[in-house]
Formats: sequence, structure tokens, C-alpha cells
Amino acid sequence: GDSVIQMQGQVTLSENDFLFINCTYSTTGYPTLFWYVQYSGEGPQLLLQVTTANNKGSSRGFEATYDKGTTSFHLQKTSVQEIDSAVYYCAMRAGYKLTFGTGTSLLVDP
Amino acid sequence: GGIITQTPKFLIGQEGQKLTLKCQQNFNHDTMYWYRQDSGKGLRLIYYSITENDLQKGDLSEGYDASREKKSSFSLTVTSAQKNEMAVFLCASSRFRDWGVSYAEQFFGPGTRLTVL
Repeated sequence: GDSVIQMQGQVTLSENDFLFINCTYSTTGYPTLFWYVQYSGEGPQLLLQVTTANNKGSSRGFEATYDKGTTSFHLQKTSVQEIDSAVYYCAMRAGYKLTFGTGTSLLVDP
Repeated sequence: GGIITQTPKFLIGQEGQKLTLKCQQNFNHDTMYWYRQDSGKGLRLIYYSITENDLQKGDLSEGYDASREKKSSFSLTVTSAQKNEMAVFLCASSRFRDWGVSYAEQFFGPGTRLTVL
């Protein structure tokens, strides 16, 4: 079946540090890939969608890349700020279902 | 714009109890979903409803029932609460009827936090 693996459970950075989160996916279909962000006390919200292999999506200073060859996709930000502290989920849509990774909790120290 | 409202925000139940969670959306979206969120496990799909009279099981439907009362509302019932269970239940909706044809962003509610004593 479809699966998404997100290995980094918790990441702690200082302001202006570089952020890199990685996910791998497995599917027999043609996936559409996303990054969602969840702030404390809220539901997840869409951060980025990446639909084309080797193309980047970008939003709020975040960039997402997708490598079809290694079935992986990545979220990065050059310089994180304290307000970026949240849980980040990678997700994959193949057919009717959206499959989420287990989430990366990012804490940015001021 | 629109909003998804989930009630109650916090739900405390007893073991074996039947518990109902409610979700309302004013986006006029066709499709609605219920997810369970556990710490370290991400979001797992329980039920979804593509249109007003549709109901589909997700990966985690055992132990749950769902009902799409009208286009704007979708309820989830925990048929028998498990002792010491703690989770957040998230409702979501999206605009397009057929995911297979076109992408539609899912919008999430703030969640109902369940604790079973």
C-alpha cells in the first residue's frame, strides 16, 4: 500500500539556522506531494504543494523539492525564525487518499 | 473564505461509552474527512464522504461510525471508548468532488481532544 516515511521526529534549531526535513514515499500510483504545517492548538494547514519531479515549490521562505528517482521529497528553509516553531507533515496523494508522514516537531530557539 | 467548526473542543469519556464528535463547514465543500492524530503517528484517515450521500471507510474505521447529515456537516461516533485512550480528532473538507481528477486543498478544523478515563 501507499506509505510515507518521515524519520525526523524532533528538530531543535537556533534562529537563522538552516532547516532540512526529508520524507520518502512509496506508491504504485502517480503521487502529488505536499507539506502541511500545524501550529499549536490549530489544525494542519497547507504550506506547499509539489507536483512536478525536480521542480521546487516555495512559500513563506520555505522551499520544497521532489526527486522521483529516489522517491523522496524535502522541505528546507535557509534561515528559520522563532515563529516557524510548529509540526511539519509531509503528505502524499495517490488516488483518493491523502497519506501523511508522522510529523517533525520543529522548535526554534530565539 | 470559510471556517470549520468542531464540537466539542475537549471530550472526556468513560470506558465503553459511545461518544459523538461533530463537524460543520461553511466552505460549501463537497468532500469531508475525519482523521485521528496520535503523538508520533501522524494523521490517519478514519472516514470520508465524497458527497452528501456518500460514506467511505479509511484506514482506521474499525471502532468508529460516521454520518454525513447534510453537505455542511459530518459526525463521527466512537462506538466504545477504550480506557486510557487519548487522541485528537481532526475534521477536514475540500472543494472538489473527485480527487482522482483534480487536486483540492484540504482545510482542517482545530480538532477535538478526546480523553478516556
